[in-house]
Amino acid sequence: DGGITQSPKYLFRKEGQNVTLSCEQNLNHDAMYWYRQDPGQGLRLIYYSQIVNDFQKGDIAEGYSVSREKKESFPLTVTSAQKNPTAFYLCATGPGYSYNEQFFGPGTRLTVL
Amino acid sequence: AQSVAQPEDQVNVAEGNPLTVKCTYSVSGNPYLFWYVQYPNRGLQFLLKYITGDNLVKGSYGFEAEFNKSQTSFHLKKPSALVSDSALYFCAVGFNTNAGKSTFGDGTTLTVKP
Repeated sequence: DGGITQSPKYLFRKEGQNVTLSCEQNLNHDAMYWYRQDPGQGLRLIYYSQIVNDFQKGDIAEGYSVSREKKESFPLTVTSAQKNPTAFYLCATGPGYSYNEQFFGPGTRLTVL
Repeated sequence: AQSVAQPEDQVNVAEGNPLTVKCTYSVSGNPYLFWYVQYPNRGLQFLLKYITGDNLVKGSYGFEAEFNKSQTSFHLKKPSALVSDSALYFCAVGFNTNAGKSTFGDGTTLTVKP
């Protein structure tokens, strides 16, 4: 998990509430990524950012929002528009080139009650 | 579009036996291929990658992978499995862009029995 922290580890949310998942890194990486992991479906990319104040949608961005105001931080907000938000959320960082591996945080498990 | 497939949801091997976890890919241009491991309720850890050069790549914890361009495969191998190797393994292919994005397979659960 290295220099990437995600908080909280577990999060419970009532339907209709927005929640924000934190991701902080001290690896000085330019690129940051948010993935959603569901059983048997691998990792799906939600949003990614290559540089501060810029981010792009991934494959499943609907119902999610992000910001990148600092190089070290890439918070993910799960909005009430996300129909099935219960999942394991992983933040990753990297130098930003396709031949570089990514470095993952420990994850946040979100459960909607 | 780039894609990666892991044809086996589950692989079971006995401790001390060799193990193989399969991965095939589809990508335009030269592929960048990765293997990651995930232990329960943890993030993914990088094992090894192929960028160019020698088709046999060695990585962490005694794992290696063989790149086969003609079969578009990148199978993960280990000569002698340990019980502690039991985990979820992901193959990934890097996009040919400068965003550093990867597409991940669905994962293969490896169980090593004593």
